Amino acid sequence: DAGITQSPRHKVTETGTPVTLRCHQTENHRYMYWYRQDPGHGLRLIHYSYGVKDTDKGEVSDGYSVSRSKTEDFLLTLESATSSQTSVYFCAISAGSYDYEQYFGPGTRLTVT
Amino acid sequence: QKEVEQNSGPLSVPEGAIASLNCTYSDRGSQSFFWYRQYSGKSPELIMFIYSNGDKEDGRFTAQLNKASQYVSLLIRDSQPSDSATYLCAVHGSSNTGKLIFGQGTTLQVKP
Repeated sequence: DAGITQSPRHKVTETGTPVTLRCHQTENHRYMYWYRQDPGHGLRLIHYSYGVKDTDKGEVSDGYSVSRSKTEDFLLTLESATSSQTSVYFCAISAGSYDYEQYFGPGTRLTVT
Repeated sequence: QKEVEQNSGPLSVPEGAIASLNCTYSDRGSQSFFWYRQYSGKSPELIMFIYSNGDKEDGRFTAQLNKASQYVSLLIRDSQPSDSATYLCAVHGSSNTGKLIFGQGTTLQVKP
């Protein structure tokens, strides 16, 4: 499972509240990613990180921020949750010879009511 | 045109048959190609990757890459009901960021 955990695994929150999702890895991988997966849209990249304090936006970054203060932790924050952010969120790391192979965490199911 | 395209299916095959899943991509500079399997309610699992033109075999799975035609496929021999899942194609383009572009996936149903 590439040593990736996500917390919480399930969360229900109200519109307008802040939410932070945590991704934790144990194998010192440099690259980490946050995706959301929705029916009809597949996996879409939100943000990614290529090192401590080094992050960049993906294709659906509006309404999301990230932080990576330690190699092992990559946090995704929804500053003010909206119903459109109801989704399943996956964290991934890159590994392999060229750091192109991505391995996914178990996911967090977020419902914004 | 989407960057990575897959037929959403469902693709239905009888048990024991060969399932053929296809994927096309638009970035001619793409170098690396991946197949993920995702069971309902679970996270994607990497099952195959291929970097060079031709075929790569791993057990019942064969990945085929044709860069000239910008086409990658996954063959599953002796399909089993446990192979029923959504299969995602992913492509690493010409950037050096490690980012992958995913297709929307093909749902495979293997009927006993």
